[in-house]
Amino acid sequence: SQQGEEDPQALSIQEGENATMNCSYKTSINNLQWYRQNSGRGLVHLILIRSNEREKHSGRLRVTLDTSKKSSSLLITASRAADTASYFCATDRPWGNDMRFGAGTRLTVKP
Amino acid sequence: EAQVTQNPRYLITVTGKKLTVTCSQNMNHEYMSWYRQDPGLGLRQIYYSMNVEVTDKGDVPEGYKVSRKEKRNFPLILESPSPNQTSLYFCASSTMGSITEAFFGQGTRLTVV
Repeated sequence: SQQGEEDPQALSIQEGENATMNCSYKTSINNLQWYRQNSGRGLVHLILIRSNEREKHSGRLRVTLDTSKKSSSLLITASRAADTASYFCATDRPWGNDMRFGAGTRLTVKP
Repeated sequence: EAQVTQNPRYLITVTGKKLTVTCSQNMNHEYMSWYRQDPGLGLRQIYYSMNVEVTDKGDVPEGYKVSRKEKRNFPLILESPSPNQTSLYFCASSTMGSITEAFFGQGTRLTVV
């Protein structure tokens, strides 16, 4: 079963705008990761945030984590057409050896 | 170059004809896993392996087999494929299980008719 659920399912914005995607999960986690997937291709790791961290930055990416609400958000600032892709959150459980993905948010950035 | 290589990239087969999708990584990773991706369902884990000769079921293992005889290789075997196994399959590897980033292969698009 899926652990994470991304929201919204699809997002369309203009180049230069910021894009915010959210991820909610159901059980306790060790870490939460965000991945990007260009159409039909393999996933690429973007950023990992540990359960004891609240915010993390990497270039134009900002990730927040609220373990009390079991949710995370990914903010992409000053978006570009090349950011068009699907974005997935993935969580691991303290007692498990698996990594579970949500269904993803499809981001379209219009030039 | 660090990479995970899957073969084939595309495969059309008939119901019941055994097939193997290969996966190889060159990063000396202990952890390898297989996922299937279906529209609206995200990625679901099929099997994973913590190290050589150590494999375990993920969320959707029915109809699949795996083996881990060497650290670099983790083939996915469909003994008797059925149409509901038509999907996009990804192999991934990482160190220390899910604690670190996973590297994904480019995917295998399988169609079972």
